[in-house]
Amino acid sequence: DAKTTQPPSMDCAEGRAANLPCNHSTISGNEYVYWYRQIHSQGPQYIIHGLKNNETNEMASLIITEDRKSSTLILPHATLRDTAVYYCIVRTATSYNTDKLIFGTGTRLQVFP
Amino acid sequence: SAVISQKPSRDICQRGTSLTIQCQVDSQVTMMFWYRQQPGQSLTLIATANQGSEATYESGFVIDKFPISRPNLTFSTLTVSNMSPEDSSIYLCSVAQGYNEQFFGPGTRLTVL
Repeated sequence: DAKTTQPPSMDCAEGRAANLPCNHSTISGNEYVYWYRQIHSQGPQYIIHGLKNNETNEMASLIITEDRKSSTLILPHATLRDTAVYYCIVRTATSYNTDKLIFGTGTRLQVFP
Repeated sequence: SAVISQKPSRDICQRGTSLTIQCQVDSQVTMMFWYRQQPGQSLTLIATANQGSEATYESGFVIDKFPISRPNLTFSTLTVSNMSPEDSSIYLCSVAQGYNEQFFGPGTRLTVL
C-alpha cells in the first residue's frame, strides 16, 4: 500500500507558486521522499527527492518538515505545461534489497490562465 | 538520464491471446520494473525484472499471467497472457541505476476486445 496521502486535486493560477502537500506520517528514518509527475498519456517524470533537508533544483523545491511526517513540493512559477498529476512517493526497500516506487493516487494540478 | 523505448506503443488484441511488450534502454541499468496503469488510475507495480533470474512479483500478480524476461542489462520483456478486457491498460517499463532517480518509458497502451 502507498504510504502517502495527497489531496486529489488543486488549482493554481499561471505565474503563481503551486504548493502541493503530502503526508507521510509512517515514514522510516532511511526512506526518501520522491516526487514525480505524469502529464496526460506520458510516462511519469522525476521531479525531485529528499531525505530530511530541503532540496531545490531547476524544476522545483522540496520542503520536508523537521519530523519528516509531511512535505511540500513547490513549483515557484507555475505554467500551463505544469498541469499534470503529481505523485508523492516514499521509496521502499524490500528484503530483496530492491528499491521500488509505490505510487499513490496523486494530486491532479490544474494550472489556469 | 536513461532513454527508454517500448514496443509496441499501442495494440488492440482479442480476448484469449497474448502480447509481448519489449523494453529497451540505451545504457546498462541495475533495476528494471514493470508497471500497469488502468484507465483513470494510478500506477501499480507488477514486478521487478531481475537479470539472470526469475522476476519478483508483487502481490496480486503471478508469473503465469505476466511472464517476464530480462536477458541482459538493457532489455526486458513483459508478456500479458490469455488476455481479457480487464487487462486493458497502459503498461510501463521503468529503470533505475542504484539508489537514484527512476526513469519511465513512454508506455504501451493495450486494448483487449
